[in-house]
Amino acid sequence: AQTVTQSQPEMSVQEAETVTLSCTYDTSESDYYLFWYKQPPSRQMILVIRQEAYKQQNATENRFSVNFQKAAKSFSLKISDSQLGDAAMYFCAYRSENTGANSKLTFGKGITLSVRP
Amino acid sequence: ETGVTQSPTHLIKTRGQQVTLRCSSQSGHNTVSWYQQALGQGPQFIFQYYREEENGRGNFPPRFSGLQFPNYSSELNVNALELDDSALYLCASSLGLAGVRTGELFFGEGSRLTVL
Repeated sequence: AQTVTQSQPEMSVQEAETVTLSCTYDTSESDYYLFWYKQPPSRQMILVIRQEAYKQQNATENRFSVNFQKAAKSFSLKISDSQLGDAAMYFCAYRSENTGANSKLTFGKGITLSVRP
Repeated sequence: ETGVTQSPTHLIKTRGQQVTLRCSSQSGHNTVSWYQQALGQGPQFIFQYYREEENGRGNFPPRFSGLQFPNYSSELNVNALELDDSALYLCASSLGLAGVRTGELFFGEGSRLTVL
């Protein structure tokens, strides 16, 4: 079974600065997707960024980028120019390509990010 | 475009009772999945419905059951409630299986269930 580990329960960043959120995962599969989801205090989970395991290039979405290290099974999220609206809980998630149509995502425990003005 | 809506937002039940949670998927989305998020934990996959049929299930007992209707809305039913069922229940919809594959899930705000 796949597992996702987010070992940092909380992090804090100064507004406009850069922060990196860590995630490691364990799998014996070679084809999979990795995701970062954001859950603001309103509780609606939002997809931030995704990475296909077969792609060597790290995904980027505006101020959000990932550092995907497949051999190390590491998938960190970097938030540049942090904004107050980035304050939320962030979840790292894994989806096996082998589950077919099943959307099962395996989530980590999450990390609470606070942004200091 | 209407997003994913869930009802009720909060409810309190006692052990042994039954509960039904409802989800209206985003317009045009025919795939719905349900997750349980215990306090301080990440969401855990319960099951998924595609075109009114269950097509995937996580490690949850049979007392967790669901339905998807022709308009793609969905229900989660939990029988014989236990204290450990207290959690936030999230519904997520996606546009077909392509959306499922790429993880483009659209979540509702959840239903907070407390079991006393």
